[in-house]
Amino acid sequence: AQSVTQLDSQVPVFEEAPVELRCNYSSSVSVYLFWYVQYPNQGLQLLLKYLSGSTLVESINGFEAEFNKSQTSFHLRKPSVHISDTAEYFCVVDVGGSYIPTFGRGTSLIVHP
Amino acid sequence: NAGVTQTPKFRVLKTGQSMTLLCAQDMNHEYMYWYRQDPGMGLRLIHYSVGEGTTAKGEVPDGYNVSRLKKQNFLLGLESAAPSQTSVYFCASSFRTGRLREAFFGQGTRLTVV
Repeated sequence: AQSVTQLDSQVPVFEEAPVELRCNYSSSVSVYLFWYVQYPNQGLQLLLKYLSGSTLVESINGFEAEFNKSQTSFHLRKPSVHISDTAEYFCVVDVGGSYIPTFGRGTSLIVHP
Repeated sequence: NAGVTQTPKFRVLKTGQSMTLLCAQDMNHEYMYWYRQDPGMGLRLIHYSVGEGTTAKGEVPDGYNVSRLKKQNFLLGLESAAPSQTSVYFCASSFRTGRLREAFFGQGTRLTVV
């Protein structure tokens, strides 16, 4: 069975600073990887995904994540954060052939002015 | 463009009462899921469905029942609510093939059991 570990429950940063949210997964088969974002009092929405091909994937609002198969990681990065990036971020692993995506426990990104 | 719609958005129940949460999607997705979200626990899967007329248990199914009589609807029932079921409930749906395998979420139902 697959599992997802988000290593930080909370990450405080100052506006315009870089940030990395860490995600490691365990699976013995090929995986699909996702990052979802949840803004306060809202549902989850897809931020970016890795299905195949290039290991570096980007979102429209400046986030990027790199699939590292040897380290079984899919860390999320942004070179300069904004106040509006304050949210909960979930790393998700989905195994081919499985019906059930597995969620990490989430990382709360708090951006201070 | 409705996507995934959950009703109700908020509800307060007394211990022992029953209720049904409705999830409706208009994207012709095969798969539908019910999750609960609790502080520090992430999202935990309650039940899921891989198609009309099918349901299966997830990680935390006890105290809940589900039905999927129509492809677009997935109902979550609490027969006898308990305070431990106080949570935010999210419904999601998805295709499961190829590059379409991402989940779309509703806005959530905040349930309080007193």
